[in-house]
Amino acid sequence: DGGITQSPKYLFRKEGQNVTLSCEQNLNHDAMYWYRQDPGQGLRLIYYSQIVNDFQKGDIAEGYSVSREKKESFPLTVTSAQKNPTAFYLCASTAWGGASTDTQYFGPGTRLTVL
Amino acid sequence: AQKVTQAQTEISVVEKEDVTLDCVYETRDTTYYLFWYKQPPSGELVFLIRRNSFDEQNEISGRYSWNFQKSTSSFNFTITASQVVDSAVYFCALSEAHGNNRLAFGKGNQVVVIP
Repeated sequence: DGGITQSPKYLFRKEGQNVTLSCEQNLNHDAMYWYRQDPGQGLRLIYYSQIVNDFQKGDIAEGYSVSREKKESFPLTVTSAQKNPTAFYLCASTAWGGASTDTQYFGPGTRLTVL
Repeated sequence: AQKVTQAQTEISVVEKEDVTLDCVYETRDTTYYLFWYKQPPSGELVFLIRRNSFDEQNEISGRYSWNFQKSTSSFNFTITASQVVDSAVYFCALSEAHGNNRLAFGKGNQVVVIP
């Protein structure tokens, strides 16, 4: 089945540790996105990538890093520099046609908790 | 800058009642796209509908209907004859044509359908 997978579903991190969240898609989509969701809040954009080996910062990129070595994969690393990383993280992808006409489809999310 | 406002935070209805969710947006772009997503308790965002700024035709899909009015910058969503399975958080989102397909989300409406 085509879709977006995120792993793990739940992740616990000790303070000072870096952790990496996985996002994989087999939809042959060009663009991929990472969002953060806090309780009672909408989604905020962390990073996005329109093509392989290229990515841009979103609105809240500080304390996060990404890579896009393969079209189907867009892992997000939450570094120790992120002061309040406990949140729900959602990955999305879309077929990038060079214009804002394509719908973003989302993965099931990873819930990160700092102990 | 693009902005989406969903004023109502939590809405409770008795099963079979109708519920309308309000969405007001701000954008300087003349071409833009509006979306509604549903987030059930599992956490994954499910795409419901997309509307282009140049298409004000309202739509009905089963028990869902959407009312897009450019004159008031609103894109409201109605669930007719609500069911318990409709209990979820609903997000309105906006993407500008010149915004690299970035989505701006409202804070969401928590809909609780009481059996």
